[in-house]
Amino acid sequence: GGIITQTPKFLIGQEGQKLTLKCQQNFNHDTMYWYRQDSGKGLRLIYYSITENDLQKGDLSEGYDASREKKSSFSLTVTSAQKNEMAVFLCASSLRDWGGAPSAETLYFGSGTRLTVL
Amino acid sequence: GDSVTQTEGLVTLTEGLPVMLNCTYQTIYSNPFLFWYVQHLNESPRLLLKSFTDNKRTEHQGFHATLHKSSSSFHLQKSSAQLSDSALYYCALTDYAQGLTFGLGTRVSVFP
Repeated sequence: GGIITQTPKFLIGQEGQKLTLKCQQNFNHDTMYWYRQDSGKGLRLIYYSITENDLQKGDLSEGYDASREKKSSFSLTVTSAQKNEMAVFLCASSLRDWGGAPSAETLYFGSGTRLTVL
Repeated sequence: GDSVTQTEGLVTLTEGLPVMLNCTYQTIYSNPFLFWYVQHLNESPRLLLKSFTDNKRTEHQGFHATLHKSSSSFHLQKSSAQLSDSALYYCALTDYAQGLTFGLGTRVSVFP
């Protein structure tokens, strides 16, 4: 088995601040993801990465940067926090076979970082 | 792009009754992979079941779903709900181009 560790668990920021969220996985998975979870809006993909130093934009990438420093870690930066913003950011990983194996698409999620902007 | 539509909002039911959560999808890909994820309170989402095969029933932990490509549906069912089934349920699909596309989620509350 493995685990995905997200830090910090709670993040409080100020409007306009740059904030960084970190994610580590020991599954040895190739692909990592950042999703944003808002009540009533489901899980929306921000960025994903299929290998070290790769970055792919999701539907919600505007206002965010990401970095895949090594296979096991994937960080997300909120470039300018929005006032009164509240959301949970979920990191996930999968053993994605980009040759097309559909059964490999199971995502394993971390416990999340809860962001509050004052 | 891909989209997933689920039963909206909150589903409340009494323990022991059947539950069905609707999921329909849109994709141009002819062989999508469909998933149901479940998220209990204060936990992260985890896979409940998944399917790639048309008209084949998939079961796990008392839940079942059948992918019907003719109607683009993947409804989740359970014959007898338990208190522990209270959770947020997400339907999702992948066309292998990128990460999963999730629906908005359906919250289920089971009462004694």
